[in-house]
Amino acid sequence: AQTVTQSQPEMSVQEAETVTLSCTYDTSENNYYLFWYKQPPSRQMILVIRQEAYKQQNATENRFSVNFQKAAKSFSLKISDSQLGDTAMYFCAFKVTNGGSQGNLIFGKGTKLSVKP
Amino acid sequence: DAGVTQSPTHLIKTRGQQVTLRCSPISGHKSVSWYQQVLGQGPQFIFQYYEKEERGRGNFPDRFSARQFPNYSSELNVNALLLGDSALYLCASSLASWDSSGNTIYFGEGSWLTVV
Repeated sequence: AQTVTQSQPEMSVQEAETVTLSCTYDTSENNYYLFWYKQPPSRQMILVIRQEAYKQQNATENRFSVNFQKAAKSFSLKISDSQLGDTAMYFCAFKVTNGGSQGNLIFGKGTKLSVKP
Repeated sequence: DAGVTQSPTHLIKTRGQQVTLRCSPISGHKSVSWYQQVLGQGPQFIFQYYEKEERGRGNFPDRFSARQFPNYSSELNVNALLLGDSALYLCASSLASWDSSGNTIYFGEGSWLTVV
């Protein structure tokens, strides 16, 4: 079975500091994509960052970066210079590569991040 | 460009009733998926449609059904509603190509369903 585990139900960080959210996953597939989504109180699921499993280089998007360890099946998210607007639920997810015509996202249970002023 | 749009945003139904939720994908996206998110959990996959055909189904009862129209919009139907069907229903779309853009899924704001 394919699973995603987020071991930190809640985390908090001071504004302007750095925080890392953990994620591990389990799959027998070799080709897949990994994602972090942010869900603020408005409940819309917003894509933060994605990583292709075949790429060794870690993805970065402005203040957001990942530490992808394929052998360990680990995919953590680092948020630098945390801002109050980063307060949200963060979900780790993966999807088997198949061109998008098939296949679905498998999500973890989420980590609630609070950024404190 | 408009994102994924869903309607209605909120609705309240009584046990045993039926509900239809609607979704329009991002322009150019041919694949539409539906997810159920109960409070405190991550979204769970319900259905995926591509070119009007069902391409995947999650572990949901037959009370859940969906379809995709020629313009790629989609409807999710739930019959004989139970209290446990109360959730946020998310629609998502993707390009359905083989590259990273095709494998990236974008979500709408969701439809909040409350069953009383």
